[in-house]
Amino acid sequence: GAGVSQSPSNKVTEKGKDVELRCDPISGHTALYWYRQSLGQGLEFLIYFQGNSAPDKSGLPSDRFSAERTGGSVSTLTIQRTQQEDSAVYLCASTSGGSSGNTIYFGEGSWLTVV
Amino acid sequence: AQSVAQPEDQVNVAEGNPLTVKCTYSVSGNPYLFWYVQYPNRGLQFLLKYITGDNLVKGSYGFEAEFNKSQTSFHLKKPSALVSDSALYFCAVRDWRAGNMLTFGGGTRLMVKP
Repeated sequence: GAGVSQSPSNKVTEKGKDVELRCDPISGHTALYWYRQSLGQGLEFLIYFQGNSAPDKSGLPSDRFSAERTGGSVSTLTIQRTQQEDSAVYLCASTSGGSSGNTIYFGEGSWLTVV
Repeated sequence: AQSVAQPEDQVNVAEGNPLTVKCTYSVSGNPYLFWYVQYPNRGLQFLLKYITGDNLVKGSYGFEAEFNKSQTSFHLKKPSALVSDSALYFCAVRDWRAGNMLTFGGGTRLMVKP
């Protein structure tokens, strides 16, 4: 597609339920990132994928958070047993990888509310 | 680790006046610096970047930024502000961690009043 696509755009879930957020990166982009934007917390790195390599999970806040990337393209971020503090915007981004000068492009985000 | 700081939570400017949104950086090595804008209920939109070369970088929507190595700054500027420029602006630096991820400043809310 023309840009990074994320779904759902909005999700309201009950505390304790699991949620899945999907990201479809720009075609041909090998690097994919997930960030979280919480009110008053700024932008927080969660996880990074590069091609078929093992992901860098150093930013995941707890073991309730996991992500996978199938076929080096689409990625799914899963939050198990959601808590109210998980309410945030989850942003996916992609880039063609390699050079640090390459621009990283973001999707519109998935707005998660845990009630 | 690489970091950026945005010292102002909010900047207010009248329409038609010049605007500046400040960003300072702390990096080891050469910095790769970026500006993004976030309109209400939207994702992040890329505005411009500094990699190397001219210190004055021009970007989208009439924005530009000046890289100043001695002051370790990368301020975002626009000669004449529009009401539609009102948004949240983020400065970021490519970090050597996690695939050269972006590390962001805290963001600055720009309010342009008619």
